[in-house]
Amino acid sequence: DTAVSQTPKYLVTQMGNDKSIKCEQNLGHDTMYWYKQDSKKFLKIMFSYNNKELIINETVPNRFSPKSPDKAHLNLHINSLELGDSAVYFCASSQGRAVYEQYFGPGTRLTVT
Amino acid sequence: AQSVTQLDSQVPVFEEAPVELRCNYSSSVSVYLFWYVQYPNQGLQLLLKYLSGSTLVESINGFEAEFNKSQTSFHLRKPSVHISDTAEYFCAVGYGSGNTGKLIFGQGTTLQVKP
Repeated sequence: DTAVSQTPKYLVTQMGNDKSIKCEQNLGHDTMYWYKQDSKKFLKIMFSYNNKELIINETVPNRFSPKSPDKAHLNLHINSLELGDSAVYFCASSQGRAVYEQYFGPGTRLTVT
Repeated sequence: AQSVTQLDSQVPVFEEAPVELRCNYSSSVSVYLFWYVQYPNQGLQLLLKYLSGSTLVESINGFEAEFNKSQTSFHLRKPSVHISDTAEYFCAVGYGSGNTGKLIFGQGTTLQVKP
């Protein structure tokens, strides 16, 4: 069983479109994260949710809106996609006080043309 | 502010040779340090961690890292690498407390093990 799963794995779309990426974890964790990995492989946190509550919101454009319908799911919706949004987006989860011991999904490669 | 610098972007090495991946950090508070590994087309996996106690920490697959406070380093080493160790390695520092804690990653080091 996949611990942290993301859909889709690849996403190719045009500038100006709106798209969503879904994440699910079956580890029973209470905290979930979204990261962006750019073309130079630099990985940066975007958001975190704990028990459906937004905890971390880095300096991310308002076009990015996370939604956590329950503890096991954290989705990322992106409006008005731009070329600079092209990246690999990773979802991750952690449990309790072990916030630094995170389990990552396989990533979603977003390409904006 | 916390930051992590990985001094080598790529490290090519022959199989069975030793390897060291270098990591330096800056932190004004208590330090929690981590190495994560990303195999091709996969997400990151925790390789090893330093939270407190012994400055030398080991992973189950033969990697070790040593926390050196005076040099603000957390270098990763393995005495003999395998082809299967080919991956991207990320050093990270934990920042913040409670559920606001987050990981600050370095730029990554590509370890390329050649036969």
